[in-house]
Amino acid sequence: DAGVTQSPTHLIKTRGQQVTLRCSPISGHKSVSWYQQVLGQGPQFIFQYYEKEERGRGNFPDRFSARQFPNYSSELNVNALLLGDSALYLCASTGQGVGEKLFFGSGTQLSVL
Amino acid sequence: SQQGEEDPQALSIQEGENATMNCSYKTSINNLQWYRQNSGRGLVHLILIRSNEREKHSGRLRVTLDTSKKSSSLLITASRAADTASYFCATGGNNFNKFYFGSGTKLNVKP
Repeated sequence: DAGVTQSPTHLIKTRGQQVTLRCSPISGHKSVSWYQQVLGQGPQFIFQYYEKEERGRGNFPDRFSARQFPNYSSELNVNALLLGDSALYLCASTGQGVGEKLFFGSGTQLSVL
Repeated sequence: SQQGEEDPQALSIQEGENATMNCSYKTSINNLQWYRQNSGRGLVHLILIRSNEREKHSGRLRVTLDTSKKSSSLLITASRAADTASYFCATGGNNFNKFYFGSGTKLNVKP
């Protein structure tokens, strides 16, 4: 079975641009979470979606938005990119249940110039 | 913040030695999990310990949890060069699946 897949793997943008990152969860998983990992730090929670509804939002500005589709795949959008948005963006899916283990994708490395 | 914090930040040992890393957190938790990350890519789940458990084993991994001290430790026995990676603890799960990660322990196992 395929794991969590993310696209693209690498992305280079300039300040002020907009970016869309995509994630497909493991088959049967209905929950998708997004995390931002800046170099040298741990992942920081951005969003969590379950059954196409937003269930949690981290401390990120409104420039960050996300959605989940009927097939449970998800997109993360970031508008008006800043240099500080350069990071590894990780998507994780979980099966049923609260607080169960996260299955991570390999991430999208975003560089903002 | 519930954020877990790992200690030490970096650890260098010889192959065959044991590696111990610690995690402290601030508020009550549903469970605590440990993850490994190689070369800045996706994290891999290692082990989950629930708040009503005190110790758990999985292969060469041993995790303990002390909820009174709000701390956990991860022991890797008989380490191998392939164990070289960053290790993170994650706390949370009270709010569905919102987890807080620490800054990690960077483990280097020398052959």
